[in-house]
Amino acid sequence: QKEVEQDPGPLSVPEGAIVSLNCTYSNSAFQYFMWYRQYSRKGPELLMYTYSSGNKEDGRFTAQVDKSSKYISLFIRDSQPSDSATYLCAFDQTRANNLFFGTGTRLTVIP
Amino acid sequence: DAGITQSPRHKVTETGTPVTLRCHQTENHRYMYWYRQDPGHGLRLIHYSYGVKDTDKGEVSDGYSVSRSKTEDFLLTLESATSSQTSVYFCAISRGQGGQPQHFGDGTRLSIL
Repeated sequence: QKEVEQDPGPLSVPEGAIVSLNCTYSNSAFQYFMWYRQYSRKGPELLMYTYSSGNKEDGRFTAQVDKSSKYISLFIRDSQPSDSATYLCAFDQTRANNLFFGTGTRLTVIP
Repeated sequence: DAGITQSPRHKVTETGTPVTLRCHQTENHRYMYWYRQDPGHGLRLIHYSYGVKDTDKGEVSDGYSVSRSKTEDFLLTLESATSSQTSVYFCAISRGQGGQPQHFGDGTRLSIL
C-alpha cells in the first residue's frame, strides 16, 4: 500500500463550480498537511498548510483534515480558469527530512 | 516567489556525460532539497542539506551526488548520466525540518539521450 493515494484525474469542471480534491494516507506519523498548486512548467506553490484536524479557510480555498480517517481534502469555491493546474497533496512528520507527495490531480476549469 | 533560482532550466545531454544542476537561494534558509518529478511517481527526494557541507541521502539517491559549499548554493551532480535520469528536477528550501513548509524553484527539465 502506498503511503499517499491521490486520484490523478483529470478533472474538468465549468467555471463557478465547487471543486473537491482528495488524498488518503496510511502513515499515522504524518502531522502536517499541505496542498501545493503546480502550473504547467512551473514549480509547486504552497497553497494551504495545516497541522490539525478540521477546516482551514483561505479565500476561495478550504483545506479539510480528518486524521481519524486519514483523509484530507481541498475545496475550491467559485472555480476560475486561473485555477487550472495540478494540485498536489503533501504530508510531513516531526523531525522528517522530506515531504511525502501524492501524484497530483490535474484540474481544468472551463470558461 | 520564494527567491529560488535553478539553472539551467533546460538541458539535453548524452548518456555517460556528467551533468551538474545548480540551485541558488536568497532566503538564507538552512535546509535545501533536490527532488525529481516523474509521471506516476510524484515528487521524490534525491538528497538534502541541513547546512554548509552537511548533506544526506533521500529516497532515490543512487547515481546522484550533491555539494553545498555556501548557504545559498546547492549543487546536484549526475556523475555519468543515464536515460533513467531523464526527469524534471526541483530544488526546495525550508527554514527547518519536520513541519516547516518547503518552497520550490521552477525546475530543470533534463533529457538524457
